Amino acid sequence: RKEVEQDPGPFNVPEGATVAFNCTYSNSASQSFFWYRQDCRKEPKLLMSVYSSGNEDGRFTAQLNRASQYISLLIRDSKLSDSATYLCVVNRAGTALIFGKGTTLSVSS
Amino acid sequence: DTAVSQTPKYLVTQMGNDKSIKCEQNLGHDTMYWYKQDSKKFLKIMFSYNNKELIINETVPNRFSPKSPDKAHLNLHINSLELGDSAVYFCASSQGPRTVSYEQYFGPGTRLTVT
Repeated sequence: RKEVEQDPGPFNVPEGATVAFNCTYSNSASQSFFWYRQDCRKEPKLLMSVYSSGNEDGRFTAQLNRASQYISLLIRDSKLSDSATYLCVVNRAGTALIFGKGTTLSVSS
Repeated sequence: DTAVSQTPKYLVTQMGNDKSIKCEQNLGHDTMYWYKQDSKKFLKIMFSYNNKELIINETVPNRFSPKSPDKAHLNLHINSLELGDSAVYFCASSQGPRTVSYEQYFGPGTRLTVT
């Protein structure tokens, strides 16, 4: 089983839609959780960290369920500029980031 | 100002050649990384250095040798290039490896094509 698993998509949604991405991780020792965004032919960039209590940044909401080892990202009111690949990322102390394969989102007008 | 820079951006070379990729960060970070993103877009850690010391060495062929002359630079040398080495190689840096919540900043990537 891969350490971080995501539905690869693609998710094709119209502008204004709400879309949710899910991610599961296998190692219960994982301590930190993130969503990164990668545009086509570009480097990954941090979108947001994910905290146990859940956190929101504008139209983006991230949730973490440690018991189920499950992470989610909700995007409300999708914009064309949200089209990208969203990478679920976990980290254990003293190790590098472990990336999921990513979920591709395409927002159309 | 570029935070993490890599050279070259594109590298096309023949099988069997030896090549190097350079990475520099001006963020004052202690830790630097090399990642490989293959044709299936899967991003995987290869190496990590903290203050010039190797701290992570994943299962990578020993044809790949990282070198960190100082904490702002991490280079990757590849010997006897193979077709399967074709990928995008990303350098990244972060403030420290032991504090898990630090954001990693990625360079723009080096697109290596082996023919």
